[in-house]
Amino acid sequence: GENVEQHPSTLSVQEGDSAVIKCTYSDSASNYFPWYKQELGKRPQLIIDIRSNVGEKKDQRIAVTLNKTAKHFSLHITETQPEDSAVYFCAAQTGGSYIPTFGRGTSLIVHP
Amino acid sequence: EPEVTQTPSHQVTQMGQEVILRCVPISNHLYFYWYRQILGQKVEFLVSFYNNEISEKSEIFDDQFSVERPDGSNFTLKIRSTKLEDSAMYFCASSTKTGNYGYTFGSGTRLTVV
Repeated sequence: GENVEQHPSTLSVQEGDSAVIKCTYSDSASNYFPWYKQELGKRPQLIIDIRSNVGEKKDQRIAVTLNKTAKHFSLHITETQPEDSAVYFCAAQTGGSYIPTFGRGTSLIVHP
Repeated sequence: EPEVTQTPSHQVTQMGQEVILRCVPISNHLYFYWYRQILGQKVEFLVSFYNNEISEKSEIFDDQFSVERPDGSNFTLKIRSTKLEDSAMYFCASSTKTGNYGYTFGSGTRLTVV
């Protein structure tokens, strides 16, 4: 089955800096890659996603890139703010199963 | 914004007891899921449900687990005889359709087995 690795497990930045979270996947058939943000004690919420026919997608301060050849995808947050502090999960999903496999999560801490 | 509602938010139960976790998915959603998250670990898939039957389940979802949609709104997860290792946050999720679309997760039920 699919295996998703996510790095780093913890990321600490100063407000205004950029943050990058990286994920790799194993199943070349995976074609959908959502990212979820989970604030402390709250539910995971979809913040951005990318499909395999696209190399990059941007939504305001958040962008996601996908390299299908290397089987890795990344989340980029620019101009970080304290409210960006949360655990971020990447996921990979194949067309056959439609069940995402999640990474272990990255705890992002933005210091004011 | 429509929400997936889960009750209770926290449940403490004795080992060996049965628990039922409840979820009310978004009304026009057709696909329902249960996930669990052991403290500090990744979100793990348990089961998906569509058209009143299980469509997919993981190795975690053994005979101790069952799901049901008893009426038009509720979606439940039952654990027949809880074990200490069942302690986790259980998330319900729903989606309008299957395929490459994100989920809407509920706020979770924290299950503590003592």
